[in-house]
Amino acid sequence: QQQVKQSPQSLIVQKGGISIINCAYENTAFDYFPWYQQFPGKGPALLIAIRPDVSEKKEGRFTISFNKSAKQFSLHIMDSQPGDSATYFCAASLWISSSNTGKLIFGQGTTLQVKP
Amino acid sequence: DTAVSQTPKYLVTQMGNDKSIKCEQNLGHDTMYWYKQDSKKFLKIMFSYNNKELIINETVPNRFSPKSPDKAHLNLHINSLELGDSAVYFCASRKDYSTYEQYFGPGTRLTVT
Repeated sequence: QQQVKQSPQSLIVQKGGISIINCAYENTAFDYFPWYQQFPGKGPALLIAIRPDVSEKKEGRFTISFNKSAKQFSLHIMDSQPGDSATYFCAASLWISSSNTGKLIFGQGTTLQVKP
Repeated sequence: DTAVSQTPKYLVTQMGNDKSIKCEQNLGHDTMYWYKQDSKKFLKIMFSYNNKELIINETVPNRFSPKSPDKAHLNLHINSLELGDSAVYFCASRKDYSTYEQYFGPGTRLTVT
């Protein structure tokens, strides 16, 4: 029940196209949903995040769509560029009240390749 | 100026050895984490410390022992290394209980031969 399922595993998009990555979860106790971007040899970097009381959040070319009833959320990358080629991870945060902290549960990752 | 730093970047060692990875954050954050990223890039939390106190231990083998000398540092010591320990280990930090954002270090690639 703590899993976050991410798809697709890999994605190839032409420059200028829209990249869409989907995630699904079961645990309704998750209270924060970030997306991380990871380039080869680097650590994951926070890209954009959303709280479950919001249905959409946009930052530049990146948009998160959140469907609370379906327990799904997705990342849309508009006007995809070769520089967007990276691995993207969705995640969900679970608050642990006994420890007064949250822990991130990550999806399996999506390798995005944007072709010039 | 690096927010979360780790040393070393690469670590190659033989089975049975003991090794340590160091992590430092200069963000003034209260909470630090260790994550393991396996060969399939799956990221999983291992430990979390808050102000030098262990608060999350995700049933990691006791060969792994985190140590936090102060809230800016979280080191990971691994005893009797096994082939399956080969992975990339990431340190991360979070400001405090009122925030959600976690900031990751550059990772340490551990290869056990």
